[in-house]
Amino acid sequence: EVHLVESGGGLVQPGGSLRLSCAVSRSSLSTLIIGWVRRAPGKGLEWVSTISGIDGATYYADSVEGRFTISRDNSRNTVYLQMNSLTAEDTAIYYCTKEGYTSARCGAFDIWGQGTMVTVSS
Amino acid sequence: DIQMTQSPSTLSASVGDRVTITCRTSQSISKWLAWYQQKPGKAPKVLIYESSTLESAVPSRFSGSGSGTEFTLTISSLQPDDSATYYCQQYNAYNPTFGGGTKVEIK
Repeated sequence: EVHLVESGGGLVQPGGSLRLSCAVSRSSLSTLIIGWVRRAPGKGLEWVSTISGIDGATYYADSVEGRFTISRDNSRNTVYLQMNSLTAEDTAIYYCTKEGYTSARCGAFDIWGQGTMVTVSS
Repeated sequence: DIQMTQSPSTLSASVGDRVTITCRTSQSISKWLAWYQQKPGKAPKVLIYESSTLESAVPSRFSGSGSGTEFTLTISSLQPDDSATYYCQQYNAYNPTFGGGTKVEIK
């Protein structure tokens, strides 16, 4: 079974940047579609971004479009989420997820990492 | 974006009770709905996909139904281990969206 491990979370000041990593093991990233989902304190789940390891297609939530960039390094089997211009509203646990079910237009997630906490505060 | 309305936001029930959670979408999504369970400090876990297909190893007391714009998750006999927050998610089209969550508490 695919295993996902996130890293890179931490405390950052408003306006700052942070890069999250998701290391994929037990499968080749080039065959997978990987997403990021976050959960802010006291709130529900919010999809953030998705990248296809197959063709590199990327998708973003409106709330992060233009500030976050998702990318992949198939040779390292790792997905990255570069987060710029961070605000307090980006404070959340960020989960790396694997798309396991699809409507052919979009997917749901069958494998999740343990999450990494991002705190945006001065 | 497709809006998700999940209800109730919290519920309290006794062990052995039948529990139903509802998820409504702002437009038809056919059968493209998943349900997740999240316990404190843990990552979400998928329970059901394609509205009614049970993920492997998920207890059979969980079931899902519905199509179009109205969906339900049912726990046929609530167990202490089912104390958690449950989310629906549509994957008919980008952006994938989640319901607001239902916190299930055991009386």
